Amino acid sequence: GAGVSQSPRYKVAKRGQDVALRCDPISGHVSLFWYQQALGQGPEFLTYFQNEAQLDKSGLPSDRFFAERPEGSVSTLKIQRTQQEDSAVYLCASSPTGGDQPQHFGDGTRLSIL
Amino acid sequence: GNSVTQMEGPVTLSEEAFLTINCTYTATGYPSLFWYVQYPGEGLQLLLKATKADDKGSNKGFEATYRKETTSFHLEKGSVQVSDSAVYFCALFSGSARQLTFGSGTQLTVLP
Repeated sequence: GAGVSQSPRYKVAKRGQDVALRCDPISGHVSLFWYQQALGQGPEFLTYFQNEAQLDKSGLPSDRFFAERPEGSVSTLKIQRTQQEDSAVYLCASSPTGGDQPQHFGDGTRLSIL
Repeated sequence: GNSVTQMEGPVTLSEEAFLTINCTYTATGYPSLFWYVQYPGEGLQLLLKATKADDKGSNKGFEATYRKETTSFHLEKGSVQVSDSAVYFCALFSGSARQLTFGSGTQLTVLP
């Protein structure tokens, strides 16, 4: 597609459930990023892929968070045993290479944990 | 570490007023600087960028100049429109960290 596509747009889950969020980057983009945006705040970095390699996962808040990009295109962010504090918008971004080229963002997945 | 400090909002202006949203940063090395805009219910869109000192980024009437001496990247527009109502985020990209660091955002409302 023309832009970064994320699904689902909205996800409601009960505390303790596992969730999976999908990101389909712009075709051919090497770099893929995940960010977490709490209400009224700026996005915060979670993790970064270059092709299929996860080069930085320093922003993942706990070992309940796991991300993968097995074939170097689509990525999935998985959150296990969700907690209420996981409620946020999860943004995915891609860029052509790993440098300072602008990142193109998807519309995000709004996750609500009840 | 890297950080971005933005002018707190919300900011409310009348149409055709002059806009300034202040942004200062702390970073190692020589970061690239960005302004992103987020319209209600949408993702972030790149508004403008500057990659080195004294560069001026501009787009849709918005401008920002990379000031290394004051570590600032203030966003300006001479005459705002109702359609400019959105949340504006200042961000930096540091090559060593390979991630964007965002400010907390400034909500702008423009009244007709």
